[in-house]
Amino acid sequence: GENVEQHPSTLSVQEGDSAVIKCTYSDSASNYFPWYKQELGKGPQLIIDIRSNVGEKKDQRIAVTLNKTAKHFSLHITETQPEDSAVYFCAAPTRGGADGLTFGKGTHLIIQP
Amino acid sequence: DARVTQTPRHKVTEMGQEVTMRCQPILGHNTVFWYRQTMMQGLELLAYFRNRAPLDDSGMPKDRFSAEMPDATLATLKIQPSEPRDSAVYFCASGFGGSGNTIYFGEGSWLTVV
Repeated sequence: GENVEQHPSTLSVQEGDSAVIKCTYSDSASNYFPWYKQELGKGPQLIIDIRSNVGEKKDQRIAVTLNKTAKHFSLHITETQPEDSAVYFCAAPTRGGADGLTFGKGTHLIIQP
Repeated sequence: DARVTQTPRHKVTEMGQEVTMRCQPILGHNTVFWYRQTMMQGLELLAYFRNRAPLDDSGMPKDRFSAEMPDATLATLKIQPSEPRDSAVYFCASGFGGSGNTIYFGEGSWLTVV
């Protein structure tokens, strides 16, 4: 099955600075890489995803990059704001074309005022 | 605004008691997942259904856990008997089947077994 590693486990940045979270995956057949944001007491919410036919995708202050050769993908948040404070999870399909996602262990992002 | 609905949101129970968690997936979604979240293990897939048929429950402790989908609008996860190590947040998620399709999570059922 898929194995997803995520780093760092905690990231503290000054408000207005950028934050980068990195993930690696093991299954070269994986073709879909979503990112979820989880606020305290809530369920994970999809914030952006990327498919294997593109190398980068942007949505306002959030961008995701994918390097299929190296089997890693990253989340970039620019101009961070206090409401960006949360736990972020990367994920990849559990087994090739099967249903379900395998998640990284999460990154606790702290935005310092 | 379509969403996955889970009940109960919070449950405190004594060891040995039966616990049943319920989930209403987003209307039209044919695939339903049960995940468990703990500090140590993160988000783990317990089981999932497609078109109400169980496809994979390999992540679930078989002796005490059971998952069912009595109809397209209801999925249940039952623990009997419950143990303190079952304390966790249990999430239901739904989506359209197949790799590369987004799944949407409910707000979770926070279970504490004392």
